[in-house]
Amino acid sequence: QVTLRESGPALVTPTQTLTLTCTFSGFSLSTSGMSVTWIRQPPGKALEWVARIDWDDDKYYSTSLRARLTISKDTSKNQVVLAMTNMDPVDTGTYYCARIDSNYFYMDVWGKGTTVTVSS
Amino acid sequence: QPALTQPRSVSGSPGQSVTISCTGTSSDVGGYNYVSWYQQHPGKAPKLMIYDVYKRPSGVPDRFLGSKSGNTASLTISGLQADDEAYYYCSSHGGTYTFGLLFGGGTKLTVL
Repeated sequence: QVTLRESGPALVTPTQTLTLTCTFSGFSLSTSGMSVTWIRQPPGKALEWVARIDWDDDKYYSTSLRARLTISKDTSKNQVVLAMTNMDPVDTGTYYCARIDSNYFYMDVWGKGTTVTVSS
Repeated sequence: QPALTQPRSVSGSPGQSVTISCTGTSSDVGGYNYVSWYQQHPGKAPKLMIYDVYKRPSGVPDRFLGSKSGNTASLTISGLQADDEAYYYCSSHGGTYTFGLLFGGGTKLTVL
């Protein structure tokens, strides 16, 4: 059974760096074709794609967020880490990680999400 | 501003059918057969309902049907049930330049 779980701080202050961890099981990021992606959702708004990391360590970022993002993986721990610098209140929302096949473009299994509030 | 355009809301009575559209461009929806649809109940994570335009994951009822014509993809839900009431989001490959994903603004389905 494939599962993913997001973890990280619930509250960050403006200008801080947010670090989120996605811990997964049931698949390996060292397997050809596997990828993990991050998607966020501001309160009451639509989903927004953030970043993706592939099994071969290829990384892709949202054009609008690219300058602030770093995605990395620890295959031995089955974890993917997303760092977002210079947090702003508009970054408030729920952050989801999900599994995606790097040859395709759909998320078949999602984590439950973690809510992040940016406020002083 | 979401890259893909969806109606804000649709509604139907139990047993009826509804169709939700998702309009993009020839660079995304129209250019690839990589359109997917997600159902999201309040406070829950999205759930994959359709991928690669029309394919259904195991466990998704065949009442959910995906299709595409030109730059517009559609999700048709037949035999509406109370539990179908949710938000539905379409997604598409954003093109080889970005390798990212595009989402629609979401459509609230109300079962009357």
